[in-house]
Amino acid sequence: GESVGLHLPTLSVQEGDNSIINCAYSNSASDYFIWYKQESGKGPQFIIDIRSNMDKRQGQRVTVLLNKTVKHLSLQIAATQPGDSAVYFCAENGGNRDDKIIFGKGTRLHILP
Amino acid sequence: DSGVTQTPKHLITATGQRVTLRCSPRSGDLSVYWYQQSLDQGLQFLIQYYNGEERAKGNILERFSAQQFPDLHSELNLSSLELGDSALYFCASSVYTSWVSGGYTFGSGTRLTVV
Repeated sequence: GESVGLHLPTLSVQEGDNSIINCAYSNSASDYFIWYKQESGKGPQFIIDIRSNMDKRQGQRVTVLLNKTVKHLSLQIAATQPGDSAVYFCAENGGNRDDKIIFGKGTRLHILP
Repeated sequence: DSGVTQTPKHLITATGQRVTLRCSPRSGDLSVYWYQQSLDQGLQFLIQYYNGEERAKGNILERFSAQQFPDLHSELNLSSLELGDSALYFCASSVYTSWVSGGYTFGSGTRLTVV
């Protein structure tokens, strides 16, 4: 079914530490996954994506890991900064080709000073 | 600035009224998507248009409708508004298929408040 969920609704991390945001998906046919960041009062912003033929992809300070066996996705943010405070959404394409992206409910990341 | 323009930014209207939200996609993008985001909720897909034609439909109410014009801008019409329709409405665009172009580009949204 169309189900993209997040393990934790809120995550508090000390500034400078690494953050790990987790996401479970239920549609084994999904073959494209995206992480979005949404700051207060703004639209979601693309962070990083990964296709199902990969298990890891790195960007600038961010890494996405995909475990297809357990249908799990994670976003790692290195050296978390105050500007990383936001809600993070994982999204999947559900394996469909109608171009619809299905979003999870989001995890709010709090950065502690 | 993401390149996707949504107007108005804020809208306050009474129950039973009708409103139109407007979206101009990023230059070169042919697909437009509409999403609804309620308080503390995720993004609920409403509808997608590609080059003027409807491509996919989500949980869009019958009171809601949308269209994409020849110049590729899109409008989302919400009628017989109810208090529960208060939400952020986002428009996003992509060249074609999101898994080719790296996902959608979102606008900054229209905040609709129904009183």
